[in-house]
Amino acid sequence: GDSVTQTEGLVTLTEGLPVMLNCTYQSTYSPFLFWYVQHLNEAPKLLLKSFTDNKRPEHQGFHATLHKSSSSFHLQKSSAQLSDSALYYCASSGGSNAKLTFGKGTKLSVKS
Amino acid sequence: EAAVTQSPRNKVAVTGGKVTLSCNQTNNHNNMYWYRQDTGHGLRLIHYSYGAGSTEKGDIPDGYKASRPSQENFSLILELATPSQTSVYFCASGDRGQYFGPGTRLTVL
Repeated sequence: GDSVTQTEGLVTLTEGLPVMLNCTYQSTYSPFLFWYVQHLNEAPKLLLKSFTDNKRPEHQGFHATLHKSSSSFHLQKSSAQLSDSALYYCASSGGSNAKLTFGKGTKLSVKS
Repeated sequence: EAAVTQSPRNKVAVTGGKVTLSCNQTNNHNNMYWYRQDTGHGLRLIHYSYGAGSTEKGDIPDGYKASRPSQENFSLILELATPSQTSVYFCASGDRGQYFGPGTRLTVL
């Protein structure tokens, strides 16, 4: 079946440094890829999505490029902010089924 | 953005009791989903639906039932609640990308 592997556990950064959270996937189909962000005591929110190879969607300073050749969809931001501290999930959705396969989540902690 | 609401937002239940969690979406999405979220396990899919009258088992369906009486409404039912079902439950809707409700915090004593 489909699977998503992302940077696990806690990533701690100093404010102003770049953010990169890794995500790779395995899928029988050519999937849609998503990043979700979940702040403390809130619901997950859709941050980015992509289906097209080598396109780079952006939102709130974050971007991610889908590379089908390496099955990757890494999340990046040039300069971390304190408000970026949250739990981030990478997810994929393939075929005619819109079910999402989630990674285990990466907790990002940005400190001043 | 899609509007998904859940009720109740918090619930305390007794072991062996019946619990119904409700979800409503107003964006005419065909697909709806129920997840639970526990520390160390991330988001796990319990049941989902492709439209009114349909329900499908997700990855962890044991101990849960689901009901989709209309396009807008999707319920999760715990017939005999157990303490292991203490968790935060999220409903989501969406046909390519999912939009989550605010969550229900369920405690089973």
